[in-house]
Parts: sequence; C-alpha cells; structure tokens
Amino acid sequence: ETGVTQTPRHLVMGMTNKKSLKCEQHLGHNAMYWYKQSAKKPLELMFVYSLEERVENNSVPSRFSPECPNSSHLFLHLHTLQPEDSALYLCASSQGLAQGSPLHFGNGTRLTVT
Amino acid sequence: AQTVTQSQPEMSVQEAETVTLSCTYDTSESDYYLFWYKQPPSRQMILVIRQEAYKQQNATENRFSVNFQKAAKSFSLKISDSQLGDAAMYFCAYRTSGSRLTFGEGTQLTVNP
Repeated sequence: ETGVTQTPRHLVMGMTNKKSLKCEQHLGHNAMYWYKQSAKKPLELMFVYSLEERVENNSVPSRFSPECPNSSHLFLHLHTLQPEDSALYLCASSQGLAQGSPLHFGNGTRLTVT
Repeated sequence: AQTVTQSQPEMSVQEAETVTLSCTYDTSESDYYLFWYKQPPSRQMILVIRQEAYKQQNATENRFSVNFQKAAKSFSLKISDSQLGDAAMYFCAYRTSGSRLTFGEGTQLTVNP
C-alpha cells in the first residue's frame, strides 16, 4: 500500500460507546495530523504530532484522545461523543513541519454519532 | 487571525473551457506558502498546486496555474481545458512557519459535458 490509509471508512456509534480511528502512512513522513471536516465549514485542525510528540492541541474536547505510537501510525480514540461530533475525520502526514511541506491526506472516516 | 476566504461556494464550467476559482487571505506574515487542494467524491484531499510567497513567478502544473497577487493577498486558481475528472471541491489553504495549515470553506466545481 502507498499513501495514507484510514480505517474504518464509516463509523456509526452511540454517545456512550468507545471507538478508535486509525491512520497509517507509508510515505516515510515524520509528522501526522488529525483534521475535522464538517459541512459548510473550513477544515479544523485538531492535533499535530511531530516525531511522535504532540506539538499542537487545538482546544479539542477531552472526549477526543490522540495517540501516536510511532511515526507511521496515528489513532484518535473516541469516548462519550456528542451528535455535533458527527463529521468527516481526515488524517494527514508531511515530511517535517516547514511551511512548504505539503500535507498528504487519507480518504477520511465518516463518523456519525447517534 | 489568519483567514482564508473563498467567495464562490459553487462554480460550473463547460468541458474544455477555462475556469478561475478565487481565493483571498489575510496575514501579517511575509514568508508563507499557499496551496490549492481538490477533494473529489472519494473524499481524499489531493494537492493541486503550491506557491511560495517569495516567488514572484506564478506556479503552474500542467492545466492548472495560479495568479498570485501578493500585495492584494489574492491567490486564484485557473483550470484550463477543463475535464470531467476536475469536478470536485477545491480548497485554498495557507501555511506559515509552524504546523498550522489554514483552509478556506471551499468551492464546489461542476464540469458540464
């Protein structure tokens, strides 16, 4: 496989469930990101990891918990979500954090909270 | 605050024609990069083109080119010889030093056969 792979592609969960989103990149990059994409809104940056250390936490509620065990894998653990958390969650990676380094995105996980 | 504005929620173009998508941004930084990404129905964000603010020459990638007006803080995307596969949501984005990539709200492009 090449590029950035996200699983699952779709996820429906109740507000009391615990689930995890997975992202894997095969590009040899050392930075990974989680973005939230809601309808009619710009993409919102949630978390940034560089060399497996979190470098940005953009005021995201604690019901979202990221984990980066190595430079190729990124998880987003979900717990007691709200219906307004329903959105497309996109993972991305880049080589470093320099402004010229383009982000490479996965296909996203469509999350529905019921 | 850094913002990116795409004033055209929707655009349409005839196949083989040319279309221009507009983007303006607001920043106090002097060194930054600008990007255009497309998001087809597959949902994957794909890099179309990027421009470094210090370069005066407009970037081009095959049928895609930009009109970068730094003083006006404008960064429009021109798609020439439009193809059906160009139909997608197009996002303008801005990135300065550090990690944040700021996106606009997007323009939905329809290509009519």
